[in-house]
Amino acid sequence: GDSVTQMEGPVTLSEEAFLTINCTYTATGYPSLFWYVQYPGEGLQLLLKATKADDKGSNKGFEATYRKETTSFHLEKGSVQVSDSAVYFCALRGTNAGKSTFGDGTTLTVKP
Amino acid sequence: EAGVVQSPRYKIIEKKQPVAFWCNPISGHNTLYWYLQNLGQGPELLIRYENEEAVDDSQLPKDRFSAERLKGVDSTLKIQPAELGDSAVYLCASSFSADTQYFGPGTRLTVL
Repeated sequence: GDSVTQMEGPVTLSEEAFLTINCTYTATGYPSLFWYVQYPGEGLQLLLKATKADDKGSNKGFEATYRKETTSFHLEKGSVQVSDSAVYFCALRGTNAGKSTFGDGTTLTVKP
Repeated sequence: EAGVVQSPRYKIIEKKQPVAFWCNPISGHNTLYWYLQNLGQGPELLIRYENEEAVDDSQLPKDRFSAERLKGVDSTLKIQPAELGDSAVYLCASSFSADTQYFGPGTRLTVL
């Protein structure tokens, strides 16, 4: 079945540092890929998405590129802020439209 | 536009008691999802509705869990009887068909 593997956390960075959170996936066909962010006490919010190979999703300074050859969708941000502290989830929606599979999340803490 | 509404936000019950969670999706969203999120893990799908029809309930423990979505709008998820291992966050999400899912804040259940 489909699966998503994320870089284990927690990740602690200083403000303005570069962020990478690795995500790889296993799926049949051509899934859509997503990054969600979850702030304390809140539900998941869509951060960005990509629906086909080589697509780049971007939002709020975060970027991720759909790499089919390496089955990856790594999240990056050039300069993190304290307000980016949250849990980040990588997810895919497979060819069974509507069924999503999530990674276990990576906790990011940004210190001033 | 109002987001996905869930209630209650928190619930503490004794084991073997029944409990119910309510979800009101975003207006116009025909697809509704219930997810279970254990601490430190990503959401896992329990059930997915397309309008009033449950199209994927393969992960719903049917001996104690039940769900309904009357009239294809609001939905209720019930557990009876609750067990200690049911302590988790129950997330509701909605989407228009297989488009982006929008999540509610979740209900945190504690079973004592």
